[in-house]
Amino acid sequence: KAGVTQTPRYLIKTRGQQVTLSCSPISGHRSVSWYQQTPGQGLQFLFEYFSETQRNKGNFPGRFSGRQFSNSRSEMNVSTLELGDSALYLCASRPNYRGTEAFFGQGTRLTVV
Amino acid sequence: GQQLNQSPQSMFIQEGEDVSMNCTSSSIFNTWLWYKQDPGEGPVLLIALYKAGELTSNGRLTAQFGITRKDSFLNISASIPSDVGIYFCAGQNNDMRFGAGTRLTVKP
Repeated sequence: KAGVTQTPRYLIKTRGQQVTLSCSPISGHRSVSWYQQTPGQGLQFLFEYFSETQRNKGNFPGRFSGRQFSNSRSEMNVSTLELGDSALYLCASRPNYRGTEAFFGQGTRLTVV
Repeated sequence: GQQLNQSPQSMFIQEGEDVSMNCTSSSIFNTWLWYKQDPGEGPVLLIALYKAGELTSNGRLTAQFGITRKDSFLNISASIPSDVGIYFCAGQNNDMRFGAGTRLTVKP
């Protein structure tokens, strides 16, 4: 069974631009969560999608948004990029919403210059 | 929000030694998980705990779900060089919250 796939692996963007990251969960998994990882703040929860609906949201500004498609694939978008958005963005998939362990992708390393 | 306090922040040990790290929270969690992350990679699930008091092993790793549901610990026995990495605890209710991580260095 293929694992969680995130694309692209690396990305360099300029301040003010927007970016879209993609995550394909493990086959059969319906829940996708997104996390931001930085050296200073650790792993911070962004949001979780299940059955194309956002179920939970972390404490991030509205510039961070996401969506989930009917095949459970998810995208997250960051608009008006800031230097502080440079981070490793991780996606995790679970079979269902609640009560099951999450499996992570390799992440997308975003650098904002 | 739900904050997890993970300690120690870092450990430098000799190959063959045992390691212990723990995580505490002011909130109750339904599930505790332990992950390991290598540089440039996503976290990999090591152990998942679902019941208060549960003690679970995975090879040289042993983890326990605290009886109060507010804490968990992870032990690694007879460490080897490939144990090097960052270990994260995570508490899960509707979403998953992470500790700050324990960076483990193993000297051959």
